Amino acid sequence: NAGVMQNPRHLVRRRGQEARLRCSPMKGHSHVYWYRQLPEEGLKFMVYLQKENIIDESGMPKERFSAEFPKEGPSILRIQQVVRGDSAAYFCASSRLDSFNSPLHFGNGTRLTVT
Amino acid sequence: DQQVKQNSPSLSVQEGRISILNCDYTNSMFDYFLWYKKYPAEGPTFLISISSIKDKNEDGRFTVFLNKSAKHLSLHIVPSQPGDSAVYFCAASGLSNTGNQFYFGTGTSLTVIP
Repeated sequence: NAGVMQNPRHLVRRRGQEARLRCSPMKGHSHVYWYRQLPEEGLKFMVYLQKENIIDESGMPKERFSAEFPKEGPSILRIQQVVRGDSAAYFCASSRLDSFNSPLHFGNGTRLTVT
Repeated sequence: DQQVKQNSPSLSVQEGRISILNCDYTNSMFDYFLWYKKYPAEGPTFLISISSIKDKNEDGRFTVFLNKSAKHLSLHIVPSQPGDSAVYFCAASGLSNTGNQFYFGTGTSLTVIP
């Protein structure tokens, strides 16, 4: 009964370090979405991926942020040279391929704190 | 450019009464609408959805209404219970040239007072 699994749940990084956030979608789901929630704000779309393919990365900051969803293994959201403003909750969601009227299912998020 | 808007950041309701959460959208190409519930330190949980071919969908205490001409949807919770206290996000989805994208509102924090 595995839902969307994100790890780590909490991540602390110093300014300038790299943060790697991992997401394993629900079984049978081949689409992965990443969202960011800043304190006191809503969910902001970042990127949408299928296996080995970025579908839409229009919400990703142009620098320091990248995402991948390899053929094997989890999806990775990578933030290089983190700054304090990157502190947020990062949520991953997955959906099925075969139905467009299919809801997103979210993980419990990774809370990134940059000190 | 906020395509999905929730104009009420918060709402307080007495236990047993009806909670009505509202949501507006701007893109007439959206054809699938969803409500999510979120507790602190957890991810959003899917609650209920509606396709654009319908104007109402009901699941237990939760009913979603869709008014396509007004580009408006609402979530009714009746009767409201203290455990319903959470942040509620509405979302809209539609096919675009970049696949099936989901857009979220900024959330409404519901407090149900015992």
